[in-house]
Amino acid sequence: EIVLTQSPGTLSLSPGERATLSCRASQSVSSNSLAWYQQKPGQAPRLLIYGASTRATGIPDRFSGSGSGTDFTLTISRLEPEDLAVFYCQQYGSSPYTFGQGTKLDIK
Amino acid sequence: QVQLQESGPGLVKPSETLSLTCTVSGGSISTYYWSWIRQPPGKGLEWIGYIYSSGNTHYSPSLKSRVTISVDTSKNQFSLRLNSVTSEDTAVYYCARDQRSTSCYDFWGQGILVTVSS
Repeated sequence: EIVLTQSPGTLSLSPGERATLSCRASQSVSSNSLAWYQQKPGQAPRLLIYGASTRATGIPDRFSGSGSGTDFTLTISRLEPEDLAVFYCQQYGSSPYTFGQGTKLDIK
Repeated sequence: QVQLQESGPGLVKPSETLSLTCTVSGGSISTYYWSWIRQPPGKGLEWIGYIYSSGNTHYSPSLKSRVTISVDTSKNQFSLRLNSVTSEDTAVYYCARDQRSTSCYDFWGQGILVTVSS
């Protein structure tokens, strides 16, 4: 089973700043099968990025993904107050599909 | 726009069976994979398993001995059964659609909280 470790656990930034979230896998993720989700309080997760770097339908270009192998990054440029959420990475390259423990993004 | 809606009991007794149904609207259940994912209160996400519209299934090894996922294409629904539940199974259960050609999830239900308690 691939274990995903996200860092930092919590990130506190101001509107307009850039957020950089990390996801590290315990072994290489097959075919860069890595997704990022945003979960706002009381809501279901929303798909942001798949294939490590492809934005899902309707996702603004403030959100970008990068990385390969075992190290992946989600970058949110120009933070907005509504970006407050927990962000999860997920690998779907090998079963069982696994999620990271999440990074909580606080907007000051 | 595809919509998913979970339904079922919100309270299940220990050792009994948790049963949930996901109703898909705004699109056909055919030719897609459909998954169940759960989230214990205040914790992260756990993949449970998926089913293809033809009925083929694949489950998480940690739950495989207790899980059954089934599909009813005539009703555009798929279902989850988890038997011999304990308090560790208390969670929000989500149904979701696998994005075509991947196993990440582009449409989600709102989630249903299932509490295991006597």
